[in-house]
Amino acid sequence: DIQMTQSPSSLSASVGDRVTITCRASQNINNYLNWYQQKPGKAPNLLIFAAFNLQSGVPSRFSGSGSGTDFTLTISTLQLEDFATYFCQQSDTTPYTFGQGTKLEIK
Amino acid sequence: QELLVQSGGGLVEPGGSLRLSCAASGFTFSDYYMSWIRQSPGKGLEWLSYIGPSGNPIYYADSVRGRFTISRDNAKNSLFLFMNSLTAEDTAVYYCARDSVGYDSWGQGTLVSVSS
Repeated sequence: DIQMTQSPSSLSASVGDRVTITCRASQNINNYLNWYQQKPGKAPNLLIFAAFNLQSGVPSRFSGSGSGTDFTLTISTLQLEDFATYFCQQSDTTPYTFGQGTKLEIK
Repeated sequence: QELLVQSGGGLVEPGGSLRLSCAASGFTFSDYYMSWIRQSPGKGLEWLSYIGPSGNPIYYADSVRGRFTISRDNAKNSLFLFMNSLTAEDTAVYYCARDSVGYDSWGQGTLVSVSS
C-alpha cells in the first residue's frame, strides 16, 4: 500500500497568516493527490484535486502544488473558518490511502 | 445540488451483520463510481471499497475483502454496503462518497459500533 505522510500533525496559526501543509507519498503517485478539509462532526470537503486543481466553490486562497511524491497545500491568508483538519489522499493506486491529518488551530 | 443521504448503522454485537444505504439525488447516479470510506480515531480515514457506474468493477481494501459487499441499484439511485463478521475493529463512522476526480460529494456519515 502507498503510505501518505503529512506534516506537521498539528499547527497553530493566526488569522491572516500564510500556512503550508506537506504531504509525502511512499512512491510516485503521478499527481493523483487530493486535499480535503474536515470540521468536527462533518464529512470531509474536497478542496484540491489532482494536485493543483481548485474544486468548484473553494476560495482561491487555497492552492496546491507538487508532483511525484511531494505535495503542498497552501492557505495564503488564513480566515477564521479555515481552522479545521486537513487530509491528503492518493487516488493513483488502490487501496486509495489518506494522510493522518493536520489539525490547524488558532494561536 | 448533489446530495447523499445515508441510513443504517448502529450498535451490533461482534460477529453480527449490518447493511448501510446511501440514497443519491441531484445528479445522474448511474454515471459515477461510488465509494465507501470509514473514519475511526485509531485509524483515521480508510477507503473501503468502490463500485463502477454499472456495477463493475468492484474493489475492496484487504481489511474488509470477504466480509463486506458493495452494491448499487441505479434504478433507485442507491448504494449499499453489506457488512458481515463484524469486529470491534470495524467500529467507525462510515461515509458514502461520489468518486469523481477526488471524492467531491459525501454522505453525512453513520456510526457503526461493534460491541457486546
